[in-house]
Amino acid sequence: GDSVTQMEGPVTLSEEAFLTINCTYTATGYPSLFWYVQYPGEGLQLLLKATKADDKGSNKGFEATYRKETTSFHLEKGSVQVSDSAVYFCALRDTGRRALTFGSGTRLQVQP
Amino acid sequence: NAGVTQTPKFQVLKTGQSMTLQCAQDMNHNSMYWYRQDPGMGLRLIYYSASEGTTDKGEVPNGYNVSRLNKREFSLRLESAAPSQTSVYFCASSELDQILTEAFFGQGTRLTVV
Repeated sequence: GDSVTQMEGPVTLSEEAFLTINCTYTATGYPSLFWYVQYPGEGLQLLLKATKADDKGSNKGFEATYRKETTSFHLEKGSVQVSDSAVYFCALRDTGRRALTFGSGTRLQVQP
Repeated sequence: NAGVTQTPKFQVLKTGQSMTLQCAQDMNHNSMYWYRQDPGMGLRLIYYSASEGTTDKGEVPNGYNVSRLNKREFSLRLESAAPSQTSVYFCASSELDQILTEAFFGQGTRLTVV
């Protein structure tokens, strides 16, 4: 079956530091890949997405590239802010599947 | 623009009690979902409804029932609550016909079963 593996958190960084959150996946088909963000007390919001190999999703300074050869979709940001503190979820929707499969989430804490 | 609305936001139940979590979306989406979120486990799919009048089991359906009342509304019912059902519940909706299908989530219901 499908699965998503994320690095365990929490990840604690100082403001303006570089961020990488690793995500790898297994899928039986050719999935679409997503990063969702959950701010404290809120639901999940889509951060970025990619549908095919070598596609780069980007939004709000975050980027992730769909790497089919390494089955990865790592999230990066060049300079984090305190306001980026949240839980980040990597997810996929496989070919022919109706629902998303989520990773366990990675909590990011950015200190001023 | 409300998006996905869940009620209630918080609920405490005693073991054995029943309740229904309500969800409504105003985006005219065909598909709706119920997930539960537990620490260290991400979101797990309970049930989903691909379209009005259809429902299917997800990864963790035991102890739950659902009703797709119409295109807008999708409810989740706990017939006899158990402490293992203490969790945060999220409803989501999406439009499957689009290639880049993203799901839109409600703000969640925090349920505690004592």
